[in-house]
Amino acid sequence: AQSVSQHNHHVILSEAASLELGCNYSYGGTVNLFWYVQYPGQHLQLLLKYFSGDPLVKGIKGFEAEFIKSKFSFNLRKPSVQWSDTAEYFCAVNRNSGNTPLVFGKGTRLSVIA
Amino acid sequence: GAVVSQHPSWVICKSGTSVKIECRSLDFQATTMFWYRQFPKQSLMLMATSNEGSKATYEQGVEKDKFLINHASLTLSTLTVTSAHPEDSSFYICSARDPGPSSQPQHFGDGTRLSIL
Repeated sequence: AQSVSQHNHHVILSEAASLELGCNYSYGGTVNLFWYVQYPGQHLQLLLKYFSGDPLVKGIKGFEAEFIKSKFSFNLRKPSVQWSDTAEYFCAVNRNSGNTPLVFGKGTRLSVIA
Repeated sequence: GAVVSQHPSWVICKSGTSVKIECRSLDFQATTMFWYRQFPKQSLMLMATSNEGSKATYEQGVEKDKFLINHASLTLSTLTVTSAHPEDSSFYICSARDPGPSSQPQHFGDGTRLSIL
């Protein structure tokens, strides 16, 4: 079975700082990778996804993530965070076959301070 | 974009009550929906996969007689927590995927906060 590890439980950054959130997964086969964001009081929203092609994917709101197959990693980055990026970030993976559900990491809470 | 509607958003009830949560895909048909449970400050844990017209597939450790899932149409799945007890208090979230391959994103409802007294 797949599993997803997010290394940082809570990250606190000042506005304009750069962000990198770690995500590693364990699964030997082909996977699809996702990052979701959950703003306070809201439902999960898709930031970006990777399923094939260029391993560097760009998402909404200036976020990007890089798939490094050899490291089983899919880290999320943003060059300059804003206060409005304060949220919970979830990395998720599913097998690239059939109608398989997403398996989520524990999430990383990002707090951006002015 | 695709929207998943979940109702109710918050339920408070006495121990022993059965509670039904509805999940609807509003602008697309979903042959498969997923039910997750999220404890405070923890991740989403998959409970079951709901398949339209057939039995749900439950994850290990999830009691199928406790959490009844019905997926009667292509746009509606329901989760019934039977004889709920305080330990069932949690945040329940449904999800549906756009039709197509597994690389299609899952869309999530707003969740239902269940509090059992």
